[in-house]
Amino acid sequence: RKEVEQDPGPFNVPEGATVAFNCTYSNSASQSFFWYRQDCRKEPKLLMSVYSSGNEDGRFTAQLNRASQYISLLIRDSKLSDSATYLCVVDGGSQGNLIFGKGTKLSVKP
Amino acid sequence: ETGVTQTPRHLVMGMTNKKSLKCEQHLGHNAMYWYKQSAKKPLELMFVYNFKEQTENNSVPSRFSPECPNSSHLFLHLHTLQPEDSALYLCASSAMTRTNYGYTFGSGTRLTVV
Repeated sequence: RKEVEQDPGPFNVPEGATVAFNCTYSNSASQSFFWYRQDCRKEPKLLMSVYSSGNEDGRFTAQLNRASQYISLLIRDSKLSDSATYLCVVDGGSQGNLIFGKGTKLSVKP
Repeated sequence: ETGVTQTPRHLVMGMTNKKSLKCEQHLGHNAMYWYKQSAKKPLELMFVYNFKEQTENNSVPSRFSPECPNSSHLFLHLHTLQPEDSALYLCASSAMTRTNYGYTFGSGTRLTVV
């Protein structure tokens, strides 16, 4: 089983749509969880951390289910500028180094 | 300068060349990382430095040689690379290796080996 697994997409959605990304991770000892965003030919940038209770930042909502080892990201009212690849990121347990998923590509169309 | 800066942005080198990638962070962080990003693959961790000591070498071939003279600077020395080493090389830093705040990445060096 891959350490961090994501649906690669692409997800093609119209502006204003709600889109959800899912991610599973294999290391039950992981403690820190993140969603990063990576634009084409650019570096990854932290979008938001993911907390056990779930957290929201504007149009973005992240959820964590430790029992299922599952993380999600919901984007409401999609904008053209949301088009990017979204990376699910999990710490590697005891060593703490972050492990990245392959990413899910989102394309928001007018 | 702020954040994490990497130079050069682009590099084309022959298989017999020797070159170095440079990374500098201005965030006061203690941990620095080299990642490799190839097409259609997830970011691969190469090296980790914590308080300028190497704490992880992720089975990286010896043709890649890291150097961390202090907590703010990280180098990746390259020699006798192969075409399959062509990729985006990303440097990152964090306050500590176990972090709730994620990593900050530099803009990367796009390397092409010919």
